[in-house]
Amino acid sequence: AQSVTQPDIHITVSEGASLELRCNYSYGATPYLFWYVQSPGQGLQLLLKYFSGDTLVQGIKGFEAEFKRSQSSFNLRKPSVHWSDAAEYFCALGFRGTYKYIFGTGTRLKVLA
Amino acid sequence: DVKVTQSSRYLVKRTGEKVFLECVQDMDHENMFWYRQDPGLGLRLIYFSYDVKMKEKGDIPEGYSVSREKKERFSLILESASTSQTSMYLCASSPPLGGDSNQPQHFGDGTRLSIL
Repeated sequence: AQSVTQPDIHITVSEGASLELRCNYSYGATPYLFWYVQSPGQGLQLLLKYFSGDTLVQGIKGFEAEFKRSQSSFNLRKPSVHWSDAAEYFCALGFRGTYKYIFGTGTRLKVLA
Repeated sequence: DVKVTQSSRYLVKRTGEKVFLECVQDMDHENMFWYRQDPGLGLRLIYFSYDVKMKEKGDIPEGYSVSREKKERFSLILESASTSQTSMYLCASSPPLGGDSNQPQHFGDGTRLSIL
């Protein structure tokens, strides 16, 4: 069955520290993968997307993600976290040729000053 | 930039009422979606529409209906609101499937609905 798993419900990091948010997917074909961020009281904003090609994808706000087919993972990274990055992050899987998307349950990031 | 506007940020209604949530997008997108978001459950698709007057059920359509009379507007209707429908509702839009890639969705700011 197709699924998206974000194993970490909450993550706390200090400002300036590096960040990695995990995302694992289950899908039989080449996936379309997305990372979204949701600030409190807001909708979801697209950070980056992977369709094909280069497995290291650059996004907005200094984020990047790496697609690893062998591990069925699409982890989000940032080298130095800012207090404004505190938000909830969602990984999503899109199904080729359809309108269907599956979202993970989200990881809430807290940033310590 | 794509703008997806949901008519209300907060809404309080009573059990049994008929509730309308409105969503408008300004980018001429073919596809529009309604999700509900609950803690620990992520986003769950209620309905989506790929054209005017066309709709398809998502994963949790029970208790909901939708209307798309114009391309830019997609309404979610709670026929008889229940307390279990208290949630955050998110509308999204996207361009049509193009070539070999799915287009990312653009989201509104959400409507936090409370049913008393």
